[in-house]
Amino acid sequence: SQQGEEDPQALSIQEGENATMNCSYKTSINNLQWYRQNSGRGLVHLILIRSNEREKHSGRLRVTLDTSKKSSSLLITASRAADTASYFCATEITSNTGKLIFGQGTTLQVKP
Amino acid sequence: DAGVIQSPRHEVTEMGQEVTLRCKPISGHNSLFWYRQTMMRGLELLIYFNNNVPIDDSGMPEDRFSAKMPNASFSTLKIQPSEPRDSAVYFCASSSQGSIYGYTFGSGTRLTVV
Repeated sequence: SQQGEEDPQALSIQEGENATMNCSYKTSINNLQWYRQNSGRGLVHLILIRSNEREKHSGRLRVTLDTSKKSSSLLITASRAADTASYFCATEITSNTGKLIFGQGTTLQVKP
Repeated sequence: DAGVIQSPRHEVTEMGQEVTLRCKPISGHNSLFWYRQTMMRGLELLIYFNNNVPIDDSGMPEDRFSAKMPNASFSTLKIQPSEPRDSAVYFCASSSQGSIYGYTFGSGTRLTVV
């Protein structure tokens, strides 16, 4: 069964708006990661947040982690058409193995 | 570095045939993962290796699937015999254990079994 569940499954916004995607998971984690997948391509790592961190930034990306609620969010600010892709959260549930379990993903469409 | 290299990019085969997918991880990465992606089931972890040793193959669907990593620079995923329900995109990914940079994925192999 999937460790992570993402919400919403699909999101459509206008260029310049912010996009927020949420991820919930079931078991304790070592870290949580977000990936992007463009259509027909492999996944690209965006950001990693450790279980003892609450917020992390990278460019236009902001990730939060709430371990008490077992949830994370990915915020993309000032979205661009090039941000159109599927976004996945992935959890490392066992320390020192690096094994990641991926959620089902959120499909984001940014309209020009 | 050229990234994680997978071959072939596309494979169309007839049911019952043997299929071999290949992966070259990034040099220096000590972990390698095989995933399968379908619309219905999303991304499923099939098997992963640490330092060329298989650690967890609980995701391998059945005995028709096997994976090897004979050295640090090469891995194969074999399906024998193949079935139409094996049709999917198969991804290989590698990482350095403990890295903050996560996995590096290959471009995938799109397998179609007819």
